[in-house]
Amino acid sequence: DTEVTQTPKHLVMGMTNKKSLKCEQHMGHRAMYWYKQKAKKPPELMFVYSYEKLSINESVPSRFSPECPNSSLLNLHLHALQPEDSALYLCASSQPGQGGYEQYFGPGTRLTVT
Amino acid sequence: GQQLNQSPQSMFIQEGEDVSMNCTSSSIFNTWLWYKQEPGEGPVLLIALYKAGELTSNGRLTAQFGITRKDSFLNISASIPSDVGIYFCAGQLWNAGNMLTFGGGTRLMVKP
Repeated sequence: DTEVTQTPKHLVMGMTNKKSLKCEQHMGHRAMYWYKQKAKKPPELMFVYSYEKLSINESVPSRFSPECPNSSLLNLHLHALQPEDSALYLCASSQPGQGGYEQYFGPGTRLTVT
Repeated sequence: GQQLNQSPQSMFIQEGEDVSMNCTSSSIFNTWLWYKQEPGEGPVLLIALYKAGELTSNGRLTAQFGITRKDSFLNISASIPSDVGIYFCAGQLWNAGNMLTFGGGTRLMVKP
């Protein structure tokens, strides 16, 4: 099973709202990732968790706050977003550490900020 | 950030034709991955390549890891309408936390 699930599928939020995106995997992977993808562009890395600890933050604004409650779950908390934050948000997982470990992506959450 | 050179950017082909796309980089990678993304969905892993010179097939798809470790190509034989989507290559460095560097994508359109 190489499935990564994400909820919700679609989200519309105002600039003053607080919402959360959720990601879950049951492949036993200990590295999880958040990416942001704009139309017709490749995914851009936002955050990496390795063994439930934040290992990489690609200079993402503080209005995006990641959380990894356990080895299977990854959340992205959203607050005071801007319209330019509208995008497809992708979660991915893989084994951590050095080696050729493939990343598997979820279906994404389409976020629209109004 | 860095982005790999992926070409062509788009292709509009007739059903049944073969397709070829490639990615090049100025630096080496340990692993090359090829993903397909359909509208409104996440990228789906098609093929992973681990050794320079490696040639791997997955059904009608064939990919190769360039001998210099700086390039890779993906071929699709006898294209069908469901091959439509955006194909992304990605290079991976093992000592850089397995981060992926993506190409800009190849948009494939197939005319029945």
